[in-house]
Amino acid sequence: NAGVTQTPKFQVLKTGQSMTLQCAQDMNHEYMSWYRQDPGMGLRLIHYSVGAGITDQGEVPNGYNVSRSTTEDFPLRLLSAAPSQTSVYFCASSLGQGISPQHFGDGTRLSIL
Amino acid sequence: AQSVTQPDIHITVSEGASLELRCNYSYGATPYLFWYVQSPGQGLQLLLKYFSGDTLVQGIKGFEAEFKRSQSSFNLRKPSVHWSDAAEYFCASLGNTDKLIFGTGTRLQVFP
Repeated sequence: NAGVTQTPKFQVLKTGQSMTLQCAQDMNHEYMSWYRQDPGMGLRLIHYSVGAGITDQGEVPNGYNVSRSTTEDFPLRLLSAAPSQTSVYFCASSLGQGISPQHFGDGTRLSIL
Repeated sequence: AQSVTQPDIHITVSEGASLELRCNYSYGATPYLFWYVQSPGQGLQLLLKYFSGDTLVQGIKGFEAEFKRSQSSFNLRKPSVHWSDAAEYFCASLGNTDKLIFGTGTRLQVFP
């Protein structure tokens, strides 16, 4: 049982480039979310999804797009990378929204030059 | 607005010493509260959670936390720290938005 798998683990981009961070889970979880982690700021919610075909914005959605075509996958897209998006990105999944414990991937460390 | 505060950015303890990591929340009603641990290069792992009932909750790896409504706190404790406990610890709460709000984290360093 792999849990939540994120790819790639590391990536360096130039300003203006686009990129998709992949997230897949094999636990049949309905709820998936993306966070970014920055020093001294904890984790902040970017986007989330309560099921296939449904997505919504979190606390810091600007500059990011998501889609949820299947239960398993929840990719995060940066359409035009900016240095302010340099961060560590975590994908998480849970059975449902709310009190269900979230399972986190190991993260993608992204640097924008 | 709902928030979670972890006052200590960095804590250093000796192996075998006791540990208490502080967490304060702001929310009108009783929130659901969580502690997560993040080892270097890893994602977050749930240590324990509080929803209702007994205010002292036990978690994995020998950790416990106590919910104190009068102090709006949910401090994490361990009687005897092991070197493998060195990590970053995050307190989080779930309020009426049904979304997790994380504190800024406390980095724990353990000296032999």
